Amino acid sequence: AQSVAQPEDQVNVAEGNPLTVKCTYSVSGNPYLFWYVQYPNRGLQFLLKYITGDNLVKGSYGFEAEFNKSQTSFHLKKPSALVSDSALYFCAVRDMFSGGYNKLIFGAGTRLAVHP
Amino acid sequence: GAGVSQSPSNKVTEKGKDVELRCDPISGHTALYWYRQSLGQGLEFLIYFQGNSAPDKSGLPSDRFSAERTGGSVSTLTIQRTQQEDSAVYLCASSLGKGASGANVLTFGAGSRLTVL
Repeated sequence: AQSVAQPEDQVNVAEGNPLTVKCTYSVSGNPYLFWYVQYPNRGLQFLLKYITGDNLVKGSYGFEAEFNKSQTSFHLKKPSALVSDSALYFCAVRDMFSGGYNKLIFGAGTRLAVHP
Repeated sequence: GAGVSQSPSNKVTEKGKDVELRCDPISGHTALYWYRQSLGQGLEFLIYFQGNSAPDKSGLPSDRFSAERTGGSVSTLTIQRTQQEDSAVYLCASSLGKGASGANVLTFGAGSRLTVL
């Protein structure tokens, strides 16, 4: 079965330190992978995606993610965290049987808390 | 409009009542998706519409849930005889059609928070 796992419910990091939010996936074939962020009382916002090409993908707000096929991972990273990065982060993979449309399978989400 | 618009933003209803949630997608987006976000849980796929094709209803949790998309634009999600377990935030998203540039990115609305008493 296709799935996405975010093993950490919450990640705590001090402002200015690097952050990593983990994601692993389980799909057959080549995955389309996404990260979205949800700020309080707002909808999800797209951060970045991996479709093909370079394994290191750069996105909005200084975030990047590294696709690792052998480890089936797509961890989200940022070199220096800001308090304003505190939010709920979702990893997602495209359903391989959705006929080319983006029916996404989401992970449970990881709450990032950046402390001053 | 500039983004995906959902209404109402908040709905409180009594158990057993019917509710309708509306989604107005970005103009020109041919694909429309409904997801449900329950407290402490991830996003659960409900249904998606792809142009004029039959919708994928595989995520609807029961026959009390239905959705339609009129004229390829606005969509309404209807929940009949609401139950307390239906309480959640219902998110709508839209995207460009298959093969179009940017087709792989979903744009989400702010959601409709449903509370069933």
